[in-house]
Amino acid sequence: DTGVSQNPRHKITKRGQNVTFRCDPISEHNRLYWYRQTLGQGPEFLTYFQNEAQLEKSRLLSDRFSAERPKGSFSTLEIQRTEQGDSAMYLCASSLVSGRNTEAFFGQGTRLTVV
Amino acid sequence: DAKTTQPTSMDCAEGRAANLPCNHSTISGNEYVYWYRQIHSQGPQYIIHGLKNNETNEMASLIITEDRKSSTLILPHATLRDTAVYYCIVRGGGAGSYQLTFGKGTKLSVIP
Repeated sequence: DTGVSQNPRHKITKRGQNVTFRCDPISEHNRLYWYRQTLGQGPEFLTYFQNEAQLEKSRLLSDRFSAERPKGSFSTLEIQRTEQGDSAMYLCASSLVSGRNTEAFFGQGTRLTVV
Repeated sequence: DAKTTQPTSMDCAEGRAANLPCNHSTISGNEYVYWYRQIHSQGPQYIIHGLKNNETNEMASLIITEDRKSSTLILPHATLRDTAVYYCIVRGGGAGSYQLTFGKGTKLSVIP
């Protein structure tokens, strides 16, 4: 296993288009998280799943953002009608919830540029 | 989760120990101290975490004061590849805690 995988690594899109990012977590991890990072800031939590259930989504930035994890394995994050302010790095992380050992491991991120 | 305070930036000579401080004066009894780092254009990398005892792994040591209001991450022999932003995060340790709240971190520059 090589860790959390995110695709694509880079995405350039025109304003108003929809984009979808994919995250493949570490295989035995049951939690999956999405974060967003803008220039000069630390990552900002968006949402997370435990297995296929989305347990927290109130931090998604608007109703244009949605995430799925249909079979409890990979996840997708979709942004509809993109705006220039959506330009950022989108990070996925995963963890194994087992007792107290809940450190999260991050992927390399998808860098989105909206033009 | 408790708030943390870190210096904006630090320099360290290559081969020397890098000591990165973090204040978390409002930490509660069940909250852990986590450290992550982020090398430019990469995702954050987990380094270490602890509750109240000092911890050491292959990457670093974590020293937590007895009152738990501050901690220090120690990279024993810094290399150029350790240049990164280092984040100190306080978070509950149970399954109910799921979010990492990142601040702006400390930008560590390792100088040849």
